[in-house]
Amino acid sequence: EAGVAQSPRYKIIEKRQSVAFWCNPISGHATLYWYQQILGQGPKLLIQFQNNGVVDDSQLPKDRFSAERLKGVDSTLKIQPAKLEDSAVYLCASSPLRQRSTDTQYFGPGTRLTVL
Amino acid sequence: AQKVTQAQTEISVVEKEDVTLDCVYETRDTTYYLFWYKQPPSGELVFLIRRNSFDEQNEISGRYSWNFQKSTSSFNFTITASQVVDSAVYFCALRSQGGKLIFGQGTELSVKP
Repeated sequence: EAGVAQSPRYKIIEKRQSVAFWCNPISGHATLYWYQQILGQGPKLLIQFQNNGVVDDSQLPKDRFSAERLKGVDSTLKIQPAKLEDSAVYLCASSPLRQRSTDTQYFGPGTRLTVL
Repeated sequence: AQKVTQAQTEISVVEKEDVTLDCVYETRDTTYYLFWYKQPPSGELVFLIRRNSFDEQNEISGRYSWNFQKSTSSFNFTITASQVVDSAVYFCALRSQGGKLIFGQGTELSVKP
């Protein structure tokens, strides 16, 4: 079974530019998550989708970050415009929808964003 | 509020030594779930174990073992006879019913040959 796929793996942009990340979850997984991991810290949830609906986006900086999951499969996370403090690894995870709390989340390799 | 504390920022051991990674959590919920993930240099978080709050049995999987103690709110992880391939950052995480997955700061383990 293929794991969570993410692209690109690395991205370097200048501040105020825009960037987009793509994620394809494990086949059949209804729930998809985007996390931000700043160097030296644990991942922090940005947004959670269940199928194509948003379950939790309370920690998403909505003035510059947006995410969509149009067909309930793959997802895109966008930053516009980027700031220096957005430099981080952006991780995508997915889980099946058996029981939300017990479901194990499986992570992709992440996209390392550097904002200059 | 929920919180996970991994007090050890970095640990360095020599191959074949045993090493224990500490994890202390805080939650007011009676039902919750604890996880350990490994993050090798490649960056991907690899799931290691999930434990629910009603199951305090310790678990052993090969060289890995986990000690869950509700009385001290701890969920420690021991690697026996460590190997160079165990070098990674290890994260402990907590999730309550319907809640977010909350990660600790991580412990960077370096196993030297």
